[in-house]
Amino acid sequence: NAGVTQTPKFRVLKTGQSMTLLCAQDMNHEYMYWYRQDPGMGLRLIHYSVGEGTTAKGEVPDGYNVSRLKKQNFLLGLESAAPSQTSVYFCASSYSNYGNSNQPQHFGDGTRLSIL
Amino acid sequence: SQKIEQNSEALNIQEGKTATLTCNYTNYSPAYLQWYRQDPGRGPVFLLLIRENEKEKRKERLKVTFDTTLKQSLFHITASQPADSATYLCALDRAGNTGKLIFGQGTTLQVKP
Repeated sequence: NAGVTQTPKFRVLKTGQSMTLLCAQDMNHEYMYWYRQDPGMGLRLIHYSVGEGTTAKGEVPDGYNVSRLKKQNFLLGLESAAPSQTSVYFCASSYSNYGNSNQPQHFGDGTRLSIL
Repeated sequence: SQKIEQNSEALNIQEGKTATLTCNYTNYSPAYLQWYRQDPGRGPVFLLLIRENEKEKRKERLKVTFDTTLKQSLFHITASQPADSATYLCALDRAGNTGKLIFGQGTTLQVKP
């Protein structure tokens, strides 16, 4: 049971380049999330998904796109990387919250992304 | 907008003492509050969840309180150990069933032997 796996772990990009971060979970979770974590700030939600084929915007969605074609995978794309997107990106997953039973989130170990 | 504040200064305590971390929030009435632990270079790991109608929750050496009047949660680690050294994050639910959480910036705990 790997839990939540993120690839790659590290990446350096030049301004204007594009890339995709991959998140895979093997816990059959319905919900998946992408966060970014910057020094002195809490985790901020970029996009999330409550099921296969559905995505929604979070707190800081600009400059990012996502797709959830399969239940176990959640992809985060940077269309045209900017230095402001230098950050550590975390993916998380959880069971659904139907019935108001707030579920804990399970996190991957992050992708450290630098944009030069 | 809703805001969560945790002590930005690191908390240094001696092994065996009780560590108490604070999470304050404004402009929001969460139904749930969660605490996570994060080690350097790793993702957060869930520790405890407390509901608005629960005053206190315990798990082994951990205890969380939730005071909706003060808009505050306290996180206690009793008989602290050097292995408890980490950054601790609190998180509140936004609303509805989406599981969207608002995270505090975390407090770093250092337990000295």
